Amino acid sequence: AQKITQTQPGMFVQEKEAVTLDCTYDTSDQSYGLFWYKQPSSGEMIFLIYQGSYDEQNATEGRYSLNFQKARKSANLVISASQLGDSAMYFCAMRAWNGNKLVFGAGTILRVKS
Amino acid sequence: GAVVSQHPSRVICKSGTSVKIECRSLDFQATTMFWYRQFPKQSLMLMATSNEGSKATYEQGVEKDKFLINHASLTLSTLTVTSAHPEDSSFYICSAPPGRYNSPLHFGNGTRLTVT
Repeated sequence: AQKITQTQPGMFVQEKEAVTLDCTYDTSDQSYGLFWYKQPSSGEMIFLIYQGSYDEQNATEGRYSLNFQKARKSANLVISASQLGDSAMYFCAMRAWNGNKLVFGAGTILRVKS
Repeated sequence: GAVVSQHPSRVICKSGTSVKIECRSLDFQATTMFWYRQFPKQSLMLMATSNEGSKATYEQGVEKDKFLINHASLTLSTLTVTSAHPEDSSFYICSAPPGRYNSPLHFGNGTRLTVT
């Protein structure tokens, strides 16, 4: 069975600084995908970044980067130059190669301070 | 990009009534749709998977008779909360799988249900 663990219920970051949101996972699959989503108070799920288990390079998308350490089974999200609009709930999720279901972590509430 | 339209976005109903939530794939065909439930400040929990032309697959602990799921066509999946009670108040969100494995799921914008 797959499991995603996010150990930070809440995080604060000063505007313009970088922040790392932790995510560890557990799976017996060799091939899988890791996703990060942002959920603002409106409730919509906004896709941020994807990392495949066989990708050798860490994924980057603008101010978002994923620190993927396969041996440690961690996929931390790094947000650089935080903005007030980054305040939201962030979810790490996993999908097996042979399935479509997403398994979500508990989420981390990020608050950006001005 | 692919869009999933979910309606209504908010609904308030009285205890004992039924509420139907619709998810439509606007520019693609979705043979499968996932239905999630989310309590405030908690994670998304998969309730069931709807499949076009066949019965939905429910996750363990989800009452099939309470949450009726129908996948009537390749573009429409519905969730009906029957005989709703205040404890059914929650945020419900649907999602459809992408065409490619490494692409993100397409999510609807969610429905906030309040049962009074």
